[in-house]
Amino acid sequence: LAKTTQPISMDSYEGQEVNITCSHNNIATNDYITWYQQFPSQGPRFIIQGYKTKVTNEVASLFIPADRKSSTLSLPRVSLSDTAVYYCLVGDDSGNTPLVFGKGTRLSVIA
Amino acid sequence: SAVISQKPSRDICQRGTSLTIQCQVDSQVTMMFWYRQQPGQSLTLIATANQGSEATYESGFVIDKFPISRPNLTFSTLTVSNMSPEDSSIYLCSVETRSTGYTIYFGEGSWLTVV
Repeated sequence: LAKTTQPISMDSYEGQEVNITCSHNNIATNDYITWYQQFPSQGPRFIIQGYKTKVTNEVASLFIPADRKSSTLSLPRVSLSDTAVYYCLVGDDSGNTPLVFGKGTRLSVIA
Repeated sequence: SAVISQKPSRDICQRGTSLTIQCQVDSQVTMMFWYRQQPGQSLTLIATANQGSEATYESGFVIDKFPISRPNLTFSTLTVSNMSPEDSSIYLCSVETRSTGYTIYFGEGSWLTVV
C-alpha cells in the first residue's frame, strides 16, 4: 500500500485559499488519489478524487503532477466551517486493498 | 454515492457487556468495511465484510472480540464483545463504490463510551 505523508496541521484566515499537499512517493500505476474531510464526531466525507492532472468540483480542486508522487488539495476562500481534518489516501480500484488512513491534516480556520 | 445509516449513533455501555452496531446501506454493495477511531486518532480498519463469506480481520483485531455479520448486500453488523474502557471509540461503517475509481463512503459512526 502506498504510504502518504501530510502536514499535521495548518492554520488559515477566513477568505484565503488553502493548499494542502500530500506526498505519496510509492503510488502504483492503478492507484487513485482521494481526499476526505472529517468534522469532530462525524464520519469522513468524500471531497474529491483524481488520477492525474487537475480535477475540480464544487468543493475543491485537486492538482496532481505528472509523476503523481504528490497531490495538492486546494480549498478556495475557506470559511470557519472548513475547520476539519483532511485525509489524503491512495488506493487502486481492485477492491482488494481497502483504503488506509494516515494521520491527516488538521486545518484551523481563523476569523 | 451511498447513504449509510448506523445504529446506535451513541451509547454508554457497562464494562464487560457487548453491543451490536448495525449498518444499513441504501443500495447493494459488495464490500463493506468497519473502522475504529479512538479519541484524537485517525481511523483504523478493523475488518472487511463481504456478503457470503467470513469477514477478513486486520492485524490486532480478532473475530471473538469483534464478530461481524453480513447477511445480505445492504446490511452488516459489528459486535464489540466484553467491552472495556479501551474500546471507547467511534465505530464507522463504510462501503465501496465503483462509479469512478475506487471510493469508499462512510456512515456517521457509532460513538461508544465504556464505563
